[in-house]
Amino acid sequence: DTGVSQDPRHKITKRGQNVTFRCDPISEHNRLYWYRQTLGQGPEFLTYFQNEAQLEKSRLLSDRFSAERPKGSFSTLEIQRTEQGDSAMYLCASSLEVKGETQYFGPGTRLLVL
Amino acid sequence: AQKVTQAQTEISVVEKEDVTLDCVYETRDTTYYLFWYKQPPSGELVFLIRRNSFDEQNEISGRYSWNFQKSTSSFNFTITASQVVDSAVYFCALSELTNSGYALNFGKGTSLLVTP
Repeated sequence: DTGVSQDPRHKITKRGQNVTFRCDPISEHNRLYWYRQTLGQGPEFLTYFQNEAQLEKSRLLSDRFSAERPKGSFSTLEIQRTEQGDSAMYLCASSLEVKGETQYFGPGTRLLVL
Repeated sequence: AQKVTQAQTEISVVEKEDVTLDCVYETRDTTYYLFWYKQPPSGELVFLIRRNSFDEQNEISGRYSWNFQKSTSSFNFTITASQVVDSAVYFCALSELTNSGYALNFGKGTSLLVTP
């Protein structure tokens, strides 16, 4: 299967701990997006990369959130000092570099902060 | 401001009924893109369709059809002869070029339940 993959699929952590999620995009896709989805809502954009460059990060929810894509392939999203309000589904999507490109989503990482 | 409105929060139909999911969007751009995604209980968002703002032709794919009307800023989705496997949350999304690239603005979704 050559779709977008995310790891882990589920994460339970205690408040105050740091967590890191990984996303592996479709191999030929050079754009990568992170979204957050809370219960009963649509996904909410967080940040995106074109190759290894992070072109927009002002929508990250706080300075506790950071993302990297060091070699323009996989990406990581880290949340430091987690809070209960961070509990959500974190979705990754990838796309080709074309106008209005279709984004293909991974299965998501469901985070629960106790 | 909400750019994509899906006024129907939940819809319940009996198998074989037709059902239409509404989507109204807001944009000042002349170039934009509209999408529908399906999110089954497993959680993964599945791409269904992409339309650009210059292509107002309606599209049919099997039991699925889409009605794009720029005059009313709507992009509605109809499932004909619904099946239990159609039960999912359906999201409409708008994409336009911003500082966030072509990041998707999603509606809140419509939860569709198809019962036997």
